[in-house]
Amino acid sequence: SAVISQKPSRDICQRGTSLTIQCQVDSQVTMMFWYRQQPGQSLTLIATANQGSEATYESGFVIDKFPISRPNLTFSTLTVSNMSPEDSSIYLCSVGHGGRRDTEAFFGQGTRLTVV
Amino acid sequence: DAKTTQPNSMESNEEEPVHLPCNHSTISGTDYIHWYRQLPSQGPEYVIHGLTSNVNNRMASLAIAEDRKSSTLILHRATLRDAAVYYCILKRDSGAGSYQLTFGKGTKLSVIP
Repeated sequence: SAVISQKPSRDICQRGTSLTIQCQVDSQVTMMFWYRQQPGQSLTLIATANQGSEATYESGFVIDKFPISRPNLTFSTLTVSNMSPEDSSIYLCSVGHGGRRDTEAFFGQGTRLTVV
Repeated sequence: DAKTTQPNSMESNEEEPVHLPCNHSTISGTDYIHWYRQLPSQGPEYVIHGLTSNVNNRMASLAIAEDRKSSTLILHRATLRDAAVYYCILKRDSGAGSYQLTFGKGTKLSVIP
């Protein structure tokens, strides 16, 4: 299993500013994933972050808006840049082990972001 | 596309069994069927997964149709703590040692005391 800590748990930010969300895992993992959950909606994958390589972004998400760092095997950050009210969402970090289809994924508790 | 179809919502009485259906007609032979649930104000948590055979664990049972185009998550005795959104997901490799979890809308389960 894996225990994931996300910081901050929630924040209220002014439009035009940026927020960096931290994700710490209690074990070394190859892949980390960042999701967005807009109000009342399901989860949407933003990007996949592997240690030592550039993050891979899903359609509709770009690095300039959501830069990601992955400095080691237990930590990652997601920055939401130049925020607007449309960025108000829950952002979740997730990890999986070994990239196998028959293993479970683990999720952090999420960061609830409100942009005013 | 690893698409699944679930009812938007379901209700159950407390301490009764709950059967949550999921259709996945485009499933490929190597896709695993995963179920996660999301309690209010929490991240998703793993419930169960399977490939072809029915599966049981301490949380639930997973019944998979013979043609694998549908599955049913079974909670044997619903409790108030089981009220959550349940997601049925096909987990498949996206290449280069990675995998993808594509979340659908899920089923919101309400448990009535």
